[in-house]
Amino acid sequence: NAGVTQTPKFRILKIGQSMTLQCTQDMNHNYMYWYRQDPGMGLKLIYYSVGAGITDKGEVPNGYNVSRSTTEDFPLRLELAAPSQTSVYFCASSYSKAPGSLQNEQFFGPGTRLTVL
Amino acid sequence: EDQVTQSPEALRLQEGESSSLNCSYTVSGLRGLFWYRQDPGKGPEFLFTLYSAGEEKEKERLKATLTKKESFLHITAPKPEDSATYLCAVQALMRGYQKVTFGTGTKLQVIP
Repeated sequence: NAGVTQTPKFRILKIGQSMTLQCTQDMNHNYMYWYRQDPGMGLKLIYYSVGAGITDKGEVPNGYNVSRSTTEDFPLRLELAAPSQTSVYFCASSYSKAPGSLQNEQFFGPGTRLTVL
Repeated sequence: EDQVTQSPEALRLQEGESSSLNCSYTVSGLRGLFWYRQDPGKGPEFLFTLYSAGEEKEKERLKATLTKKESFLHITAPKPEDSATYLCAVQALMRGYQKVTFGTGTKLQVIP
């Protein structure tokens, strides 16, 4: 089991460029999440998904988009990158018997460090 | 709105000096509280889940406890390898799914 994998590990973007952060999990988890972590600010939820084809906004969705066409993959799209999107991005997954049921613990990927200049 | 507050923000201990980290929360209908450890440059790693007041869990030098308003992570005789940021998160039901809210963490440094 590779767990949760993220690519790339590092990326530098210019203002206005776009990119996709990739996330894949091989644990057959139904829940998947995208967080951003700024220094001293904790984890902020960007988007989450309770299963393939179902996504919803978290606390800080502006400037981002997601899709979930398969159980395994949950890519995060940045359109028109801005310096405020400089951060470390973590993807995570967890298992729940049903969307409203208790979730088990989240498994996190190694993160993508993004700088927008 | 659900809130999770961790204290202190940073803690420096001598090796062997026991202490506790605090996680206080205000949430409607707590369904679970999680503790994670995060090493620099890595993603958080799961430690414990607590579901009800009075519950305790232990793992090596770590012991987590839960009351109706807060959780403590007790560290007994810490070693330098326990240095990390410790995050707590609370789970509550919102809009038909179990929402998880993270605190900002306590950065622990254990000095040899």
